[in-house]
Amino acid sequence: QVQLVESGGGVVQPGRSLRLSCAASGFTFNTYGMHWVRQAPGKGLEWVTFISYDGRKKYFADSVKGRFNISRDNSKSTLYLQMDSLRDEDTAIYFCARDPNSQPYYFDYGGRGTRVTVSS
Amino acid sequence: QMTQSPSSLSASVGDRVTITCRASQDIRKYLAWYQQKPGKVPKLLIVAASTLESGVTSRFSGSGSGTDYILTISSLQPEDVATYYCQQYKSAPLSFGGGTKVEIK
Repeated sequence: QVQLVESGGGVVQPGRSLRLSCAASGFTFNTYGMHWVRQAPGKGLEWVTFISYDGRKKYFADSVKGRFNISRDNSKSTLYLQMDSLRDEDTAIYFCARDPNSQPYYFDYGGRGTRVTVSS
Repeated sequence: QMTQSPSSLSASVGDRVTITCRASQDIRKYLAWYQQKPGKVPKLLIVAASTLESGVTSRFSGSGSGTDYILTISSLQPEDVATYYCQQYKSAPLSFGGGTKVEIK
């Protein structure tokens, strides 16, 4: 069965960096695009970024453009989110999600998420 | 931008429930609906505005075109208590509606 397990969350000061990982299993990782989506405490869903199956195409929300980067290692079936210059408003649960399409469309499976808290 | 209404609703078991999602421009049915139960990952219900995902109960249906879309629960059940989100995928950046919290009266 499809499994997505995020890790790397924690408490970090504003301006610092954090790298999240998402370990995928149960499907052929290198044939799927992947998203990161976040949800601030008590708030709605916010799409963050998408990477194509081969890593060549990336898309970002305006709120994270220039600060976050998405990457993947298909040999390890792992997705990453490098988050730099973190702000208070980046505090959220971040989850990775699989897209069954070749472009950023929607997601059919998601992980349980990892919590990121940006606070001094 | 995606605008959902209402932000919350309370209905009785067996009621017909409708949730509306309005896009700021024509998204040509590039619309998905998700259900999120507390503490859980969102579950994909509908894509392309009206195509039910495999395994999703037929109590759920979607309709709409252009800028206006509707999610309908034909007969509300206790297990449908959740927050529902629409999401456009006409173009990146993708965007979600603000969510509609559905409760049982």
